[in-house]
Amino acid sequence: AQRVTQPEKLLSVFKGAPVELKCNYSYSGSPELFWYVQYSRQRLQLLLRHISRESIKGFTADLNKGETSFHLKKPFAQEEDSAMYYCALRPNTDKLIFGTGTRLQVFP
Amino acid sequence: DVKVTQSSRYLVKRTGEKVFLECVQDMDHENMFWYRQDPGLGLRLIYFSYDVKMKEKGDIPEGYSVSREKKERFSLILESASTNQTSMYLCASRGGVSTDTQYFGPGTRLTVL
Repeated sequence: AQRVTQPEKLLSVFKGAPVELKCNYSYSGSPELFWYVQYSRQRLQLLLRHISRESIKGFTADLNKGETSFHLKKPFAQEEDSAMYYCALRPNTDKLIFGTGTRLQVFP
Repeated sequence: DVKVTQSSRYLVKRTGEKVFLECVQDMDHENMFWYRQDPGLGLRLIYFSYDVKMKEKGDIPEGYSVSREKKERFSLILESASTNQTSMYLCASRGGVSTDTQYFGPGTRLTVL
């Protein structure tokens, strides 16, 4: 079965602390994985995609096929990083399968 | 800049009413999607369309139908609204097979009384 698991509903950290939002996937093929973010009162938007190997707003995510994970990391959290984060898997060209989301709260 | 708009930000309807949610995109995207977003459940795909007059069921199509008469417009229809359809509804579009980014609208928060 194709599935995305985000085990944490809520992650709270203080400003300047490292952040890791966990994402595990279940898919038998070659996965395409994404992180989407929704800031308060804003629309859901793409944060980064694994295929680009990019760093966006200080966030990175590495695909680990052995552990079937795509965790999102940032070394030093900022208050403006507070948002809802969704991990997503694209098993084919049409659909995305989203996880249940993790709310990140960064306290000053 | 991709623009996806939804007809209403907030909507209140009564049980049994027929409800139309409209979504329009201005980037000539082939693919359009309807999701519902619920706390603890994330985003779940209701229907998607990969071309005009083409549609496919997503993961939770029961109680919903869709219409895509023009490329830029994708409508979600609740034939007979029920209280368990109270939710945030998100529309998204994506352009072409090689483009992997979905662009989302602002959402419609539907309350069914």
